[in-house]
Amino acid sequence: QLQLQESGSGLVKVSQTLSLTCAVAGESISSGGFSWGWIRQPLGKGLEWIGYIYPSGSTDYNPSLKSRVSISVDMSKNHFTLRLSSVTAADTAVYYCARDLTSGAFDIWGQGIVVTVSS
Amino acid sequence: DIQMTQSPSSLSASVGDRVTITCRASQTINNYLNWYLQKPGKAPKLLIYAAFNLQSGVPSRFSGSGSGTEFTLTISSLQPEDFATFYCQQGYSSPLTFGGGTKVEIK
Repeated sequence: QLQLQESGSGLVKVSQTLSLTCAVAGESISSGGFSWGWIRQPLGKGLEWIGYIYPSGSTDYNPSLKSRVSISVDMSKNHFTLRLSSVTAADTAVYYCARDLTSGAFDIWGQGIVVTVSS
Repeated sequence: DIQMTQSPSSLSASVGDRVTITCRASQTINNYLNWYLQKPGKAPKLLIYAAFNLQSGVPSRFSGSGSGTEFTLTISSLQPEDFATFYCQQGYSSPLTFGGGTKVEIK
């Protein structure tokens, strides 16, 4: 059974770089032709798509974050990573990783990780 | 960006009620519309993808309809486990965008 698990620092200082990893268990990240994405949710608010990494290794990011975000994949470790630089308090949120079943429909989600940006 | 507008933002209903939630896109998204259910402290769960396709394992009381810019999620008979927040999301173009959510509460 496919499972995703986020990990990384739950506390990041203002202006530093947030780094999160999504471990994929139960399926090879390089098989199946799926895209893998990150979505975040400020506490008590709605969902915001951060970006994707496609099977080809190319990426697509939300323009609102594009200058600060990067997503990469490590096939050997079967995980993908989110980096968000120059964080501010507005980046405080629950961060989810997810698999794209088809055309932007996320069918498998991690449990989420709370990231707090502090001064 | 494509704006997704859900209505209502909240509703109160009883177990057994038929519930309808509407999602409107600011431009046509063909059928690239997905619906999720989210409970407090949990990740969203995919219910419907591509407007009307029931995700594997999701009860048949959930159904989706619509095309173009207007979409509907219907719960034919509300169950206790359905009290949650529902989100629509377009997968037509980048950036992917979500509606603001509809919170379904117990009457």
